[in-house]
Amino acid sequence: DVKVTQSSRYLVKRTGEKVFLECVQDMDHENMFWYRQDPGLGLRLIYFSYDVKMKEKGDIPEGYSVSREKKERFSLILESASTNQTSMYLCASSLDGVSGGDTDTQYFGPGTRLTVL
Amino acid sequence: KQEVTQIPAALSVPEGENLVLNCSFTDSAIYNLQWFRQDPGKGLTSLLLIQSSQREQTSGRLNASLDKSSGRSTLYIAASQPGDSATYLCAVRRTNAGKSTFGDGTTLTVKP
Repeated sequence: DVKVTQSSRYLVKRTGEKVFLECVQDMDHENMFWYRQDPGLGLRLIYFSYDVKMKEKGDIPEGYSVSREKKERFSLILESASTNQTSMYLCASSLDGVSGGDTDTQYFGPGTRLTVL
Repeated sequence: KQEVTQIPAALSVPEGENLVLNCSFTDSAIYNLQWFRQDPGKGLTSLLLIQSSQREQTSGRLNASLDKSSGRSTLYIAASQPGDSATYLCAVRRTNAGKSTFGDGTTLTVKP
């Protein structure tokens, strides 16, 4: 079974702090994604990565950066946390987007609920 | 810009009933469509993925269909159980390396 883990289930930070959210997958997946989920706004893509050291902006990248130094790990960084970044953050991975079929299936982690005070 | 709509936002049914959840998308040039389940406060669990060349996929009591020309997908749940209570989301991907656009979900409650 594919396993996607996130470093924390709940996190409380103060405005202006630098925040790191870590995501690790154990199935050698090429693609990794960071989303945030907010009531009434649904799931929105922040960044995704299709290879080590490669990244692409999603729909709402402002205020965030990412790092993918190793294939299994994708980190989301809030350089200076703000209250409007309070949200549920979800990481996902998929094998690749080329072969088709089940390789496109996205597998999600349990989520990190971040509160910025 | 792709828009994905799921109606209704909430649905309540008695146990044992068969039901259909709907997902509509505005741009028919899709690569695939995926259905997920989300329990409160948890991540998403993949249920079914349909490639653009496919018409349907089945897994147990679940059957998902895709009609690209009309921009619609349905998720059919047979003989619903209280354990099926969750929010169901659909996600549409435009290209093989592209991002997915998610609907807001339908929250299903199955009453014993």
